[in-house]
Amino acid sequence: DAGVIQSPRHEVTEMGQEVTLRCKPISGHNSLFWYRQTMMRGLELLIYFNNNVPIDDSGMPEDRFSAKMPNASFSTLKIQPSEPRDSAVYFCASRPQASGGNTIYFGEGSWLTVV
Amino acid sequence: AQSVTQPDIHITVSEGASLELRCNYSYGATPYLFWYVQSPGQGLQLLLKYFSGDTLVQGIKGFEAEFKRSQSSFNLRKPSVHWSDAAEYFCAVAANAGNMLTFGGGTRLMVKP
Repeated sequence: DAGVIQSPRHEVTEMGQEVTLRCKPISGHNSLFWYRQTMMRGLELLIYFNNNVPIDDSGMPEDRFSAKMPNASFSTLKIQPSEPRDSAVYFCASRPQASGGNTIYFGEGSWLTVV
Repeated sequence: AQSVTQPDIHITVSEGASLELRCNYSYGATPYLFWYVQSPGQGLQLLLKYFSGDTLVQGIKGFEAEFKRSQSSFNLRKPSVHWSDAAEYFCAVAANAGNMLTFGGGTRLMVKP
């Protein structure tokens, strides 16, 4: 199994630019999560989807952040416009529906630096 | 709402020594408990999980954890640490199988030769 695939792995962008992070969950998983990791705040859940539908987006920090899941195999997290304080590692994760229970499998992260 | 506390931000142990990483949770009922490990530049990998049954659970890489309801704890242990165990360890809790995880702040483990 290929695991959760995220792109880009690293991105450096200028303040004000749009950033799009991409995620391909593990095939057959029906829940998808976006987490952000910073030194100050640790791991924070931004949003999660069940069956492509956003269930809880209360962790999305501002209107500058948006996430979509147009189909079961793809999701995006967009930041527009980006700011230096958005610099973090963004993890996508997925979870199977059945006997895997609540085990969440993480991608390797997208390391974002906004200058 | 559930919460997780990992009291130790950093721990340093000598290679071959035993290890215990502490985790305390707050939740009214029996939670679902997890330990994840994050190596530098990598994502999080599940070490082990507790849902029910035997309170001592075995995981990968020689790790184990014990659920103690009376202490609201789920400490991670390893009898003999290897240099490759140096990483950051996260404890996490979920209210039920369908709920999302709440992570602790993590404990960074360093291993001395």
